[in-house]
Amino acid sequence: AQSVAQPEDQVNVAEGNPLTVKCTYSVSGNPYLFWYVQYPNRGLQFLLKYITGDNLVKGSYGFEAEFNKSQTSFHLKKPSALVSDSALYFCAVRDIYYGQNFVFGPGTRLSVLP
Amino acid sequence: DAGVIQSPRHEVTEMGQEVTLRCKPISGHNSLFWYRQTMMRGLELLIYFNNNVPIDDSGMPEDRFSAKMPNASFSTLKIQPSEPRDSAVYFCASSFGTGAGETQYFGPGTRLLVL
Repeated sequence: AQSVAQPEDQVNVAEGNPLTVKCTYSVSGNPYLFWYVQYPNRGLQFLLKYITGDNLVKGSYGFEAEFNKSQTSFHLKKPSALVSDSALYFCAVRDIYYGQNFVFGPGTRLSVLP
Repeated sequence: DAGVIQSPRHEVTEMGQEVTLRCKPISGHNSLFWYRQTMMRGLELLIYFNNNVPIDDSGMPEDRFSAKMPNASFSTLKIQPSEPRDSAVYFCASSFGTGAGETQYFGPGTRLLVL
C-alpha cells in the first residue's frame, strides 16, 4: 500500500531564511509525487510534481523539491521564505498500480515570521 | 478558466436533513474527485469518476452518502440523512486524463456544519 509521512506538524522560519518542509513516502512501484498548498478557507493549490527525470523539480512561487529515491523522500524547499508563504502544505503520492488515488500526508503548517 | 466551482461554499443544517453539494469541474477534464477534510482524519478520497462513470467509491463512509455525475460538467454529493459527524470541508477536484502523473485541481470547498 502507498503512504505518505510528513514528520513535522509545524515548521517555523524567519522571513528571508531558507525553508524545508519534509515528506517521505512508501509505494510498491514508481512514485508520482506532488506538493499542494492550502491557504486559510481555500482549496488546495498545486505547487509542483515529480513524475520522472531530473530529481530537482521547480514549481510555483519559487518553490522546488528534490526527489531522493534511496531515502524515499521528496522535501519541499525555498531559498528565501516570505511571510505570505505561511500556509498548510500537503505532500501526496500516487502509485501507478493504484491508478488515480492520491494519498495525502497529514500536512505541515508553515509559519514564516517577520 | 474559472477553475473548479463548488456550491454552496458554506452549509449549516440540522441533523437528519438532506444535504446536496455541487461541483462543476474544469472544462475538458474527464476525471472528478470528491474529498473530505477533517482535523482528525485529514484529506480522504470519497469517490472518483472517470468519463462520468464512478470508478472507486470505497471511500464513501456509508450508505447515507451518494454521488452522481450526470454529465461531464456537473457532479453532486448527497448526504441523507446528515449527522453531526459529517461536519467537514468537502472538496471537489478534477483532472485531465487518467495517467498517474496527472495533476488534480481543487475547488474552494464546501464547509458543512451539521447541528
